[in-house]
Amino acid sequence: ETGVTQSPTHLIKTRGQQVTLRCSSQSGHNTVSWYQQALGQGPQFIFQYYREEENGRGNFPPRFSGLQFPNYSSELNVNALELDDSALYLCASSLTPTKVNTEAFFGQGTRLTVV
Amino acid sequence: GQQVMQIPQYQHVQEGEDFTTYCNSSTTLSNIQWYKQRPGGHPVFLIQLVKSGEVKKQKRLTFQFGEAKKNSSLHITATQTTDVGTYFCAGRTGGFKTIFGAGTRLFVKA
Repeated sequence: ETGVTQSPTHLIKTRGQQVTLRCSSQSGHNTVSWYQQALGQGPQFIFQYYREEENGRGNFPPRFSGLQFPNYSSELNVNALELDDSALYLCASSLTPTKVNTEAFFGQGTRLTVV
Repeated sequence: GQQVMQIPQYQHVQEGEDFTTYCNSSTTLSNIQWYKQRPGGHPVFLIQLVKSGEVKKQKRLTFQFGEAKKNSSLHITATQTTDVGTYFCAGRTGGFKTIFGAGTRLFVKA
């Protein structure tokens, strides 16, 4: 196991609702990245948090937001859910993003279904 | 924007046959990582390549990074049923952002 835990594992929400997903990073890792993986696709980068600050963002609308806490755990919040938001949401923790060698450890993911 | 293309999308092999997946980036990469995802699972880190022309081996797996640092390949020799899954390459351009390919799904028939 990677030591990265995500909760919940599965979630069903209605279109228009809001959702919060949680991630606990591996011990010693101060960087958390969030990805969205649609069925049959590769993970798509949402954003990254480093020392409680958003360090970079992919092509996702502002209704996708996040937080990182002093213990480096993180949350992903999605407002005004749309059907296309149905996907596996993956959290990956790694060492400082300034290093070249940054192996990422993924959690098991949260399967979000929007109906 | 930056893209990472991966081919083939699917590959069916007989156990014992070799398998190769290829990854191409539209821009020069600072490094490339390879991950394996089993059905219903999450991506698991396999390896990272950083240097131009780098070749690394892990038992039956051979990873290469192109001279121009824009392409990479993963070759599996003598596949086994335990190799089943989707193999992703993920490229990084020097910033924070890691771009994943769409993956190659490997099926191995015993």
